[in-house]
Amino acid sequence: DSGVTQTPKHLITATGQRVTLRCSPRSGDLSVYWYQQSLDQGLQFLIQYYNGEERAKGNILERFSAQQFPDLHSELNLSSLELGDSALYFCASSVRDISYNEQFFGPGTRLTVL
Amino acid sequence: DQQVKQNSPSLSVQEGRISILNCDYTNSMFDYFLWYKKYPAEGPTFLISISSIKDKNEDGRFTVFLNKSAKHLSLHIVPSQPGDSAVYFCAASATTSGTYKYIFGTGTRLKVLA
Repeated sequence: DSGVTQTPKHLITATGQRVTLRCSPRSGDLSVYWYQQSLDQGLQFLIQYYNGEERAKGNILERFSAQQFPDLHSELNLSSLELGDSALYFCASSVRDISYNEQFFGPGTRLTVL
Repeated sequence: DQQVKQNSPSLSVQEGRISILNCDYTNSMFDYFLWYKKYPAEGPTFLISISSIKDKNEDGRFTVFLNKSAKHLSLHIVPSQPGDSAVYFCAASATTSGTYKYIFGTGTRLKVLA
């Protein structure tokens, strides 16, 4: 158990809908990262927050947005969903926002868009 | 443009033998590298890392080798155990770039045969 929690575990929805994925980092971790893993793909970095502020952006679509709240939990919002958005979405956390920090991953949310 | 490549999607090894997982990268700015292991239905877990100032880092049965001139790193597992069966991701980061994101490869599925 990494200490990072993600809800829900599974999510099935239809095209055009909007969903929110939630992540609670390990106690004491200030940095949260979101990744997308599509079938046979590696982990694609989406976005990183540190202590409530956006720190780095990857290949995140404009239909996707995220935020980190004062209690440090984070939410990833996916809107106007398309079939290709079906994937595993992982959240990771680390103590600080420097690259040498090990990232601890949650178990992921499996999103299926029908 | 896949900056971190794991060209072998899968690898099978007999228990007790050496497992060698390979990873190539293209970005010469990468200076910190990590290996993560992922079991089904779980998030990736950190295994071992190496900074570009080193060419080898060892942790028990796991050794990572870095060849900067070839832009290549490898993970050696000796001796391999059935519990090592998992998907292994390599990741790279450019710590001097001012961003804090990791670029992951697509993973290699290791199967250790008893």
